Amino acid sequence: KAGVTQTPRYLIKTRGQQVTLSCSPISGHRSVSWYQQTPGQGLQFLFEYFSETQRNKGNFPGRFSGRQFSNSRSEMNVSTLELGDSALYLCASSDTSGSTYEQYFGPGTRLTVT
Amino acid sequence: GENVEQHPSTLSVQEGDSAVIKCTYSDSASNYFPWYKQELGKGPQLIIDIRSNVGEKKDQRIAVTLNKTAKHFSLHITETQPEDSAVYFCAASIWGDDMRFGAGTRLTVKP
Repeated sequence: KAGVTQTPRYLIKTRGQQVTLSCSPISGHRSVSWYQQTPGQGLQFLFEYFSETQRNKGNFPGRFSGRQFSNSRSEMNVSTLELGDSALYLCASSDTSGSTYEQYFGPGTRLTVT
Repeated sequence: GENVEQHPSTLSVQEGDSAVIKCTYSDSASNYFPWYKQELGKGPQLIIDIRSNVGEKKDQRIAVTLNKTAKHFSLHITETQPEDSAVYFCAASIWGDDMRFGAGTRLTVKP
């Protein structure tokens, strides 16, 4: 099976712009979670989508949003970018059909805000 | 909400020695505890996990122990090799939801 893929891998944006990141989960996985990773705050949970519905949400401002499509692919959007949004954005997919909880991460999208 | 603390932040060992990384969690309802290895330029890779109904789990050179009463769990790597050098993260969650991560441990294995 192919792993989790994320596009683009690198992105440079200017403060005030908006950005959309994409994640394709492992085939058959219906849950996609997004995380922000920074040197100062570590790995922080953004939100989780399951069957096109947001199931859990972390403690991030409303500028961070996401959605999931019927094929389980997910996008996250950040509006009005701030310098502090520079980070590695990771998505992880999981198979929730059984009793497994394992999450498998993609390589991440490195976002730099200037 | 859940709070996960991880120690040490850096760990340096000689090749062949053992390495131990410890984590504590705050929410007694947490029941799933994975460990991830992250190499430079890559996403975290799941290396082992444990559920609250199990006290210990082993996979070759890697083992994880869980003490529910004390709310702490540990990663043990035996016979370390240079390729074990990476950043390791522990995490805690309830049924796999809203995963909370420790701050990470940078392990360096010296040849």
